[in-house]
Amino acid sequence: DSGVTQTPKHLITATGQRVTLRCSPRSGDLSVYWYQQSLDQGLQFLIQYYNGEERAKGNILERFSAQQFPDLHSELNLSSLELGDSALYFCASSVGGGSMNTEAFFGQGTRLTVV
Amino acid sequence: GENVEQHPSTLSVQEGDSAVIKCTYSDSASNYFPWYKQELGKRPQLIIDIRSNVGEKKDQRIAVTLNKTAKHFSLHITETQPEDSAVYFCAASGRSNYQLIWGAGTKLIIKP
Repeated sequence: DSGVTQTPKHLITATGQRVTLRCSPRSGDLSVYWYQQSLDQGLQFLIQYYNGEERAKGNILERFSAQQFPDLHSELNLSSLELGDSALYFCASSVGGGSMNTEAFFGQGTRLTVV
Repeated sequence: GENVEQHPSTLSVQEGDSAVIKCTYSDSASNYFPWYKQELGKRPQLIIDIRSNVGEKKDQRIAVTLNKTAKHFSLHITETQPEDSAVYFCAASGRSNYQLIWGAGTKLIIKP
């Protein structure tokens, strides 16, 4: 167990809908990262938050947004869903002091299926 | 832009033999290079990492080497075992140091 909790584990929804994925980082970790992993693909970095503020942005679509709350949990919102958004979404956290040169701990992921 | 190239995409080795996976990075400012292992259906987990002030690091059967001049680093697994079968990802810290730049992954298959 990495200490990073993601909910839900599985999500099935229809095209055009909106979903929210939730992530609770390890106790004491200030940084949260979101990744998308499509079937048999690599890890695509979406966005990073550090202590409530957005720190880095990757290839995140405009239909996607995220935030980190004062208690440091984070939510990833996916809207106007398309079939191609079906993927495994990982959240990771690290102590980060603003720098990504420490170990990142991944959650178990949320598998999103858009039908 | 910043990128990390990882080769090969698939590697099949006989159990007991060694496996080597190579990554090349583009940003000379990168200073942290972790390797993650992802077993089928599971989350990525850190197996070893190296910082730019070190040329080599070992942990039992696993070692990582770094050549800063050539901007490449490699993962070496000796005496491979069936449980080493997984996808391995390399990464390098980005210029901003706020993110990692990931390689595309190597699927390692250990043949019995």
